[in-house]
Amino acid sequence: GAGVSQSPSNKVTEKGKDVELRCDPISGHTALYWYRQRLGQGLEFLIYFQGNSAPDKSGLPSDRFSAERTGESVSTLTIQRTQQEDSAVYLCASSLYRGSYEQYFGPGTRLTVT
Amino acid sequence: EDQVTQSPEALRLQEGESSSLNCSYTVSGLRGLFWYRQDPGKGPEFLFTLYSAGEEKEKERLKATLTKKESFLHITAPKPEDSATYLCAVYGGGADGLTFGKGTHLIIQP
Repeated sequence: GAGVSQSPSNKVTEKGKDVELRCDPISGHTALYWYRQRLGQGLEFLIYFQGNSAPDKSGLPSDRFSAERTGESVSTLTIQRTQQEDSAVYLCASSLYRGSYEQYFGPGTRLTVT
Repeated sequence: EDQVTQSPEALRLQEGESSSLNCSYTVSGLRGLFWYRQDPGKGPEFLFTLYSAGEEKEKERLKATLTKKESFLHITAPKPEDSATYLCAVYGGGADGLTFGKGTHLIIQP
């Protein structure tokens, strides 16, 4: 079946612009996660959605970052007033439900802020 | 705070030369330890989940083991197509997401 998809695959933006990244989870997966992978660093957890519960935003790097999810489908990660330190690969993962713990990742969006 | 340390950072082997990758972790209430494979420009690909000390899982030339403090990914008679970065992650009792190590970059030379 179809895996997790993300768009765009690459995004180059100027410092100060807003960007929106999209994630389509595996059909039927109720949990969705966003991670950031900076060059030479491990994956960093950002935010998690489960069903209709309000997400815990404490893992987001700053108030310029926000995320939304429509029901149990598409999620968007928005970065406002981008900075050069936001350059990274942003990865989305989904799991069947939180208890299964196994997360399946999309290909990522490579964001470059110039 | 959950922590994961992987070693070595990089490993170069000859085809057929078996070895092991290490993942040391500290976590409050381990709910799972995960191994992923990541190829350049791609997202991590799920390999194994281990839940309790003593557990072992195998897939082709890979075998993952778990103790209370570390996990090993054993690679037997590797082939060039096993070249990738191998990531270890833990899921702790107080976390919503996985805590990842920085990975081991494995190169298998023909």
